[in-house]
Parts: sequence; structure tokens; C-alpha cells
Amino acid sequence: GAGVSQSPSNKVTEKGKDVELRCDPISGHTALYWYRQSLGQGLEFLIYFQGNSAPDKSGLPSDRFSAERTGGSVSTLTIQRTQQEDSAVYLCASSLVGGATSYEQYFGPGTRLTVT
Amino acid sequence: AQSVTQLDSQVPVFEEAPVELRCNYSSSVSVYLFWYVQYPNQGLQLLLKYLSGSTLVKGINGFEAEFNKSQTSFHLRKPSVHISDTAEYFCAVSDVFTGNQFYFGTGTSLTVIP
Repeated sequence: GAGVSQSPSNKVTEKGKDVELRCDPISGHTALYWYRQSLGQGLEFLIYFQGNSAPDKSGLPSDRFSAERTGGSVSTLTIQRTQQEDSAVYLCASSLVGGATSYEQYFGPGTRLTVT
Repeated sequence: AQSVTQLDSQVPVFEEAPVELRCNYSSSVSVYLFWYVQYPNQGLQLLLKYLSGSTLVKGINGFEAEFNKSQTSFHLRKPSVHISDTAEYFCAVSDVFTGNQFYFGTGTSLTVIP
């Protein structure tokens, strides 16, 4: 079946511009995560959506970052007024909640963001 | 908050030799533990997980890991590596009671030498 997809795969933007990154989770997965992977670093948790519950935004690094999830499916991560330190690979993952496969996250291929 | 330490950033090992990739986490509360692998130019995929039960967990591709609560460790092992095991390996932990946030280590780059 289809996995997690992300678009665009690569994005180059000028400092100060806004960008939107999209994630399509696996159908039926109620949990969705966004991470940031900087060069030589581990994955940094950004935000978590679960069903209709309020998202856990505790990992967002600043108020320039926001995310939404429409209809419990597609999610968009928006970075406003991009800075060079925002350059990273942004990863999306989805998972089921409950049952034997709980907490098994399926990752998308990522969006490589370069801020010039 | 949890933190995860992967002590070795790079591990070179000869083909068919055993390997152990180390992972320690910070908190003694009940945790779920995971190892993910990222092959070159591919996304992360789950190798194995510990949620409860037996402390020795077997995963895909011949890997296994042992949960040691007293040492807060979850080291990954394989008795005989192949060239195809060359990849980046990430350890991750999640608190049982929150379950929302996953804390990842900085990764260990395993290079298998022919």
C-alpha cells in the first residue's frame, strides 16, 4: 500500500520567505508527527497530532513555525520568515494508536529545505 | 524530558563480524524503546521495538536488542554483519504515560567493510 508521502522533496527559498511543507500520512493512521533533522543531528520532535485532540506543539522552536492537519489526514507545516538556521530535512511520520502496531512510526522521505 | 545518548557516532566493522550499537536513555520511568534504520538515500524504517514483556527483542534483518532497565540501556546487536547493513541507526524512546513525544538519539553510522 501507499506509504507516507511528502512534498516537495526539495525546497530552496530565500531568507525571509514563507514556506509550506506537506505530508500525506498512511490512510487510517490517526497519529501524525513532524520532525526536523539537521546535518549531523538526531531527529528533533516538532509537533504531534492525534485524531481530533489538540496537537502537542511543545517541540516547535519558535512562533514562526505552525502546523495544521485538515480532516484528520493531510498536514501542512508552515515556516514563516525563514532563517538560514531553518535549513534541514523535515520528516513526517504517521502511526496507528492502539493494538500491536501502536507507536510504529512510518516515515516519509522528507523535504530538504535550504534557506539561502 | 527524556534524552537519548548514542555513544558512538561512527562504527566501522568488517563484514561477517559482530557489532553492537549502544543506546542509553535518561529516565527511569516506564518507556517504550525503538531502533530505526536509515539506508542511504532512503527514509527511516523500524528495525525493532520494545513495549513490554521479554527484554530481548528480535527485529528485521537479524538484529536484536536487549532492554536493561537498571542500566537504562537498549543496545542493538547483530552477530554477523553484511555489506547491506551499512546505514545510519537511530535509537528512540517514548514515555509510556505520555506516548506522544519520541526522543531520538543523534544516530550511529555503521560502515561495513568488505
